[in-house]
Amino acid sequence: DAKTTQPTSMDCAEGRAANLPCNHSTISGNEYVYWYRQIHSQGPQYIIHGLKNNETNEMASLIITEDRKSSTLILPHATLRDTAVYYCIVSPSSSGSARQLTFGSGTQLTVLP
Amino acid sequence: DTGVSQNPRHKITKRGQNVTFRCDPISEHNRLYWYRQTLGQGPEFLTYFQNEAQLEKSRLLSDRFSAERPKGSFSTLEIQRTEQGDSAMYLCASSLADQPQHFGDGTRLSIL
Repeated sequence: DAKTTQPTSMDCAEGRAANLPCNHSTISGNEYVYWYRQIHSQGPQYIIHGLKNNETNEMASLIITEDRKSSTLILPHATLRDTAVYYCIVSPSSSGSARQLTFGSGTQLTVLP
Repeated sequence: DTGVSQNPRHKITKRGQNVTFRCDPISEHNRLYWYRQTLGQGPEFLTYFQNEAQLEKSRLLSDRFSAERPKGSFSTLEIQRTEQGDSAMYLCASSLADQPQHFGDGTRLSIL
């Protein structure tokens, strides 16, 4: 699986957009970009995933560059409850594979009041 | 709540004892995964089931570890002769086919 690079930590003011970057320059054509977050003492929570096109759901938006070498997770209006470690993961999509998730160290996002 | 359920949430045991954890996946999810997470690190993959078949095991899964999913529903992870280095959070996830994995809140194991 391709490796990802994320900043160790970021701060964001409550109510503002949080933009979390991720570099995945060695991503393969069949690999999706997944984002999970982990709030202290809880299991990872799925946020969003995408292959080529930008994606949006009720939690966040995912912007993937045209060359697919980087992406940005956008939380449009961050709240204190969004404080968590955010993981960017690339994983193959081929049917039948285990698609185990390879987590890095993630980005600690702290939303400030 | 219909999420992934893990029991117990916390387990404290003496070194050398055996421990068993249980994971109840989301209903009808045919894939089940076990991960381990140590302090300050991201989760690491241990093993994967599709229905009752264990299809993949990580090198992290030593011979003291065994996982089962006898009827393709719940799963158990057993650690025999526990060691200090086994102290970690053990996470279970489930998914349907190629859909995203959904995690439980884990079992935190502390070895005295």
